[in-house]
Amino acid sequence: NAGVMQNPRHLVRRRGQEARLRCSPVKGHSHVYWYRQLPEEGLKFMVYLQKENIIDESGMPKERFSAEFPKEGPSILRIQQVVRGDSAAYFCASSPPGPTEAFFGQGTRLTVV
Amino acid sequence: GESVGLHLPTLSVQEGDNSIINCAYSNSASDYFIWYKQESGKGPQFIIDIRSNMDKRQGQRVTVLLNKTVKHLSLQIAATQPGDSAVYFCAENLTGGGNKLTFGTGTQLKVEL
Repeated sequence: NAGVMQNPRHLVRRRGQEARLRCSPVKGHSHVYWYRQLPEEGLKFMVYLQKENIIDESGMPKERFSAEFPKEGPSILRIQQVVRGDSAAYFCASSPPGPTEAFFGQGTRLTVV
Repeated sequence: GESVGLHLPTLSVQEGDNSIINCAYSNSASDYFIWYKQESGKGPQFIIDIRSNMDKRQGQRVTVLLNKTVKHLSLQIAATQPGDSAVYFCAENLTGGGNKLTFGTGTQLKVEL
């Protein structure tokens, strides 16, 4: 039973480029969440998606960031025109309808140079 | 506002001793709480959860206590082992938000031999 799979594990982008982070939830889970973690800090909620729907994006920056969870395929977190402040670990979690335990992936560590 | 915070950023214990990690939350409407363990370079790993209709829940070597009167949560680890060394986060589920979790900043647990 595969857990939440995120790729890539590490991503380096130059300022101004686009970053695409992928997340495949646990099989059968229809809810996906994205969190961002800065060094020495806790995880900050970004967005909550169900298949083809954004349920809550209150934690997403207004510009440059977008997320989707299509009917088929992984969830994608897209960051356009990256800046150094976007450097962080981005974690995806999935769950069945909650509240219940959310399973986290190993994260994608984005470095903007 | 809504926040979840931890009292101690670093906790050092001797191997074999019991560990207690504390957490305060401010949203009295929260009805579900989770403790996660995060090892360096990895994603958060579920330890134990508790719902607001309970005040204590036990797992294998871990116990979570919930005091709704003072909005306090604690994680007790019995017979702490070197493998318990990690950052521990409490997370609060916001009612009606699916599994949108609010995380505290974390406590670093260091187990000394």
